[in-house]
Order: sequence, then C-alpha cells, then structure tokens
Amino acid sequence: GENVEQHPSTLSVQEGDSAVIKCTYSDSASNYFPWYKQELGKRPQLIIDIRSNVGEKKDQRIAVTLNKTAKHFSLHITETQPEDSAVYFCAASGPFGNEKLTFGTGTRLTIIP
Amino acid sequence: GAVVSQHPSRVICKSGTSVKIECRSLDFQATTMFWYRQFPKQSLMLMATSNEGSKATYEQGVEKDKFLINHASLTLSTLTVTSAHPEDSSFYICSARPGGRGGHIQYFGAGTRLSVL
Repeated sequence: GENVEQHPSTLSVQEGDSAVIKCTYSDSASNYFPWYKQELGKRPQLIIDIRSNVGEKKDQRIAVTLNKTAKHFSLHITETQPEDSAVYFCAASGPFGNEKLTFGTGTRLTIIP
Repeated sequence: GAVVSQHPSRVICKSGTSVKIECRSLDFQATTMFWYRQFPKQSLMLMATSNEGSKATYEQGVEKDKFLINHASLTLSTLTVTSAHPEDSSFYICSARPGGRGGHIQYFGAGTRLSVL
C-alpha cells in the first residue's frame, strides 16, 4: 500500500518568513495530493490540493509543488501569520476507484510573533 | 457548502458498553464516507471505507466486529464501537466524499472524543 512520509515534524518560523513542509510518497499510481490544516481540537480543513498532471499550484500565500519523478510534494507558506500556527498533514490518494487518503505524520507549525 | 456534521462531539462511557457515532453530510450526497482514528499528536489512521448500500471495507488490523459501520443512506454513516474498553479511547473522525468521477476531496467532521472508563 501507499506510504507517505512528512518532514519536519515540528517547525518554528518567525512571523513574516516562509515555511516549507515536504512529503514523499511510495505508490507511483497516486495522483491526488491534498494538504490539510488542523487546529487544536478541530477538524482537518483542506487548504490546497494538486493533481498529478500539474507541477505547481498557488492560492494566495499558499503553494504546492509536485515532482512526480521523485515522488515528492511540498507545501510553501509565504508571509506567515500567527493564524497559520496549526498541524499540517499531507496526503496521497490513488486514481478513481481507490480514493482513500494516506496521511503523512503531520507537521506542527508554530509562527513566532 | 460541503459541511459534514458528526455527533456526539464527546462521549464518556463505562467499559463494556457500546457507543454509536453519527456522521452526516448536510448539503451533499456522499457515496463514500471514511472513518479515521487519531491518537494525541499523531496522524489520521484510516479505519474503514463506508460505501452507501454495501458493506464497509476495513483496513488491515481493524476488527470489523468491534467497529460496526452502517451507511444506510447517501447522507448518513454510523460507527458503533461495541463493548468499548479503555484502549478504545481515542479521537474518531469521519469524512465524506461527494459522488462523481474525480471527486477526490474529503470533507471532515469535527470528530468525536471517546473516553472509556
């Protein structure tokens, strides 16, 4: 089955600086890669996703890049703000008919004011 | 749109009792729902995939007789933890995926914190 690794497990960034979280996956058939943000005690919220036919996607301060050959994808947050502090999970999913998500282990991001 | 409601948010029960958790998609039809378990400061571990009108598909190591899943309609799936024991204490989260080809996005419920005494 799919295996997703995520690094780093914790990340502290000065407010205004950028944060980068990286994930690798094992199944070359995976073609959908979402990122979820989970604040303490709350539900995971989808913040951005990318499909395998695209190399990069951006939504305001958040961007995701995908390298299919190397089987890794990254989340980039620019101009970080205190409200960006949360746990971020990457995930990978297979093609239609196998949409179950395999999650990474999570990154606890702390923005230092 | 795409709201998933999960109840109860918290339940405390005695060892040996059964607990039912409901997951509802409020504004869309969910042909597939997923049940996860999350331990403190850890990732979401998929327990089972629930398809409307058919038996759930359980992940390896998850006891199907322990964690009963019913997906009787396109907007409701239930997880029943039978004969709960302290080791079943955890945070259980459901998610729902709208039907249709290419609909990969999963929308999550707010979770249920189960404490078994």
